[in-house]
Amino acid sequence: DADVTQTPRNRITKTGKRIMLECSQTKGHDRMYWYRQDPGLGLRLIYYSFDVKDINKGEISDGYSVSRQAQAKFSLSLESAIPNQTALYFCATSDFSVMGTYEQYFGPGTRLTVT
Amino acid sequence: RKEVEQDPGPFNVPEGATVAFNCTYSNSASQSFFWYRQDCRKEPKLLMSVYSSGNEDGRFTAQLNRASQYISLLIRDSKLSDSATYLCVVNVNNNDMRFGAGTRLTVKP
Repeated sequence: DADVTQTPRNRITKTGKRIMLECSQTKGHDRMYWYRQDPGLGLRLIYYSFDVKDINKGEISDGYSVSRQAQAKFSLSLESAIPNQTALYFCATSDFSVMGTYEQYFGPGTRLTVT
Repeated sequence: RKEVEQDPGPFNVPEGATVAFNCTYSNSASQSFFWYRQDCRKEPKLLMSVYSSGNEDGRFTAQLNRASQYISLLIRDSKLSDSATYLCVVNVNNNDMRFGAGTRLTVKP
């Protein structure tokens, strides 16, 4: 079984709808992240959380909100979806490695299309 | 200027070739560095961390030049299975990972 899972894997929704993307992990990591990936732009950080009581905005948090329901679960919400939120969304976890760095492990991604 | 810049490619090379990718970063406070590999429509996966002294993992060699704010990845004896997009990643303060847009590699028979 995958260590980081995302649901749904694909979603098409209409402008103005509320949508939630969910992420679960079995790696036991405290840190969780949400990114979006657009062609030619690389991954950009939306929100991150270092534990259940900790939520931090990333580079592009406007139009998004998150909830860290448990150590293993981190969900991303679009309160009122708009077409330029069409993208590939990745959840990631990280932990401190033996080499002294934080390495990230990604879920399989959710492809979201807003029409 | 982007915080992490990579040549987007594509690099098209024959099997067995040696290919090198470069990456520059703008934040001199960056603390750790990585190369990730991403296959089409899949998630990024860690290929290797990049250490100050340079490091090697089989056919892959990564180097870091802090003075020039430059990271490189060298792939020797390219295989068909090396075809992917390679992402340069810079971690500014253990909170903030910045990703390059990626360099696409196609290895041909």
